[in-house]
This record gives sequence, C-alpha cells and structure tokens, in this order.
Amino acid sequence: DTEVTQTPKHLVMGMTNKKSLKCEQHMGHRAMYWYKQKAKKPPELMFVYSYEKLSINESVPSRFSPECPNSSLLNLHLHALQPEDSALYLCASSRPDGGSVSELFFGEGSRLTVL
Amino acid sequence: GENVEQHPSTLSVQEGDSAVIKCTYSDSASNYFPWYKQELGKRPQLIIDIRSNVGEKKDQRIAVTLNKTAKHFSLHITETQPEDSAVYFCAARGGSYIPTFGRGTSLIVHP
Repeated sequence: DTEVTQTPKHLVMGMTNKKSLKCEQHMGHRAMYWYKQKAKKPPELMFVYSYEKLSINESVPSRFSPECPNSSLLNLHLHALQPEDSALYLCASSRPDGGSVSELFFGEGSRLTVL
Repeated sequence: GENVEQHPSTLSVQEGDSAVIKCTYSDSASNYFPWYKQELGKRPQLIIDIRSNVGEKKDQRIAVTLNKTAKHFSLHITETQPEDSAVYFCAARGGSYIPTFGRGTSLIVHP
C-alpha cells in the first residue's frame, strides 16, 4: 500500500464552524506533514510530526490545530477560519531519517472553501 | 535555510519539442533533489529524483542533471506530449528531511 488517503476531498465551511481534515497512511512512515497549497504555487509547509510528536510548526495561526493520534493517522482541526484560508490542504508522509527511501508521498488533498 | 530558485515560471512548447526546467539551490549540504509533477486538481507526484553522488539520471523521456559545484540541477523532457502539461516543482533537501520547493514551472505542450 503506497497510498496516503485524505478525507474529505472537498469541504465548505463558515467562519464560525469547527471541522477536521483527516489523513491516513499504512506505509510505516514515521514522518507526516500538513501542507497548504494555493493555485499554481508550491506546497507551503505547515506542520511536521516525527514519531507522533510535533517537530515543526511553521508559525501557523492557532485556528489550525494538528493532532497525531497514532503513527498512521494525522488530523488537522479547523476553527474560526478566514476566507484567505481557502486552499488545497495536502497531507504527506515519508521516512523521517533521510535514508534511501526519502520521497514524500502526497495525498490527493482536501479542497477547503471558507465562506 | 535552503533557498531554491526555479526558472522559467511558464514554458510553452510544441508537441515533440524538448523542455528544460532549471533550479538552483543555496545549501551545499543538500543531497537529494526530487522533481514533482502536479496536474490540475491532482496531488504532486514524484517523477524523478537524483542524489548528490550522481550527475545524471534518466527514465524514458525524462532526465535530470546535477552540477554540485554550481549548485544547480535541471529537468529535461524530450519528445513532449500534451499529457506532459502540468506544473513541475523542483525541490532540494539538505540536513533535515524536509524538502524546500521551488516556485514551480507551468509547462504547456501545444498539440
């Protein structure tokens, strides 16, 4: 299984809603990532979990709250978002040690629209 | 930290022509250079990568070259086809396992 699965594929929410994005992988990868991507721009790193611990937070606003319940799952909790937060949210996984298999495997993404 | 510059931002070619996308990086410790292709509405997908102990790598119509001294690497696509149309991102990874992406090249292949 070389897939990273993200749900939901599409999400529309109001600025007062609370919602969550979910990501799952079964490749045994111990690094998992959240990226935000605007159209025709590169993925922008938000958070990195390594061995289920938050290792990188790229100064992301607190209205985005990541969670890693176990080595296969990654969540992104959303609360009080702004319209400018509308984007494609990509989950990715990799081996964290930069070893011989070090590519990023991306999920299909969750397209978020904030009204 | 690492800084990756990518050129051109847009590349338009006729079907059958070759396409070349160039990237430069700043961190001499970078040792892994992947290229991702992202079709409209899809995820970025790794198409080829090269490590710092290799100067060139080929996979059918795609090749990547690396010049460590000059700190630049390039993607070459020969005999382009309309299905090659996509945004291509280069990346460089150094001491950490987090890759730094270039800004992307929108490749348009006209039939």
